[in-house]
Amino acid sequence: DAGVTQSPTHLIKTRGQQVTLRCSPKSGHDTVSWYQQALGQGPQFIFQYYEEEERQRGNFPDRFSGHQFPNYSSELNVNALLLGDSALYLCASSGIATDTQYFGPGTRLTVL
Amino acid sequence: DAKTTQPPSMDCAEGRAANLPCNHSTISGNEYVYWYRQIHSQGPQYIIHGLKNNETNEMASLIITEDRKSSTLILPHATLRDTAVYYCIVRVYNAGNNRKLIWGLGTSLAVNP
Repeated sequence: DAGVTQSPTHLIKTRGQQVTLRCSPKSGHDTVSWYQQALGQGPQFIFQYYEEEERQRGNFPDRFSGHQFPNYSSELNVNALLLGDSALYLCASSGIATDTQYFGPGTRLTVL
Repeated sequence: DAKTTQPPSMDCAEGRAANLPCNHSTISGNEYVYWYRQIHSQGPQYIIHGLKNNETNEMASLIITEDRKSSTLILPHATLRDTAVYYCIVRVYNAGNNRKLIWGLGTSLAVNP
């Protein structure tokens, strides 16, 4: 049973660029949540997708957008990258009937 | 804003029980307590969750006080591989009855040989 997978593992971008991160949920899960984790901090909720729609959103600017596909996989897009966007980006999946979220290994984004 | 308070760090001897406390004095009646751990910048790993009753699984036990204002995660026989940051999290309800996990800073547990 495959767990949550994320790609790429690491990414280096420069300020102003755009980035797309990808996530495949655990088998049987239909809900995907994205988090940003700065060094030394706990994960901060970005948004959650269910049935291909954004169901709820944290306190992040519109530069952060996402998408969910019919196979439940998801993308996180960040436009106009800032130095402060450097972080570990985590994807978590869950089933609608349960809130137990299972996390992927994360994507380490470095903005120079 | 985090609804939990945890000590920033703790030590435990290998083979002994690790007891990690968490305060959540503002928790509401329908809000669950979840515990996750994160080993050095890997993805967080689910451990256990509960509402009001004590819970036990193959990884740990969760003891919730009767007033639900605090809880303790117990790792019965800590090993070096249990060294990690442990997060105590409250699942809250947003507008529209959506549920969300609110993360704090966690407790960095060091298991020593």
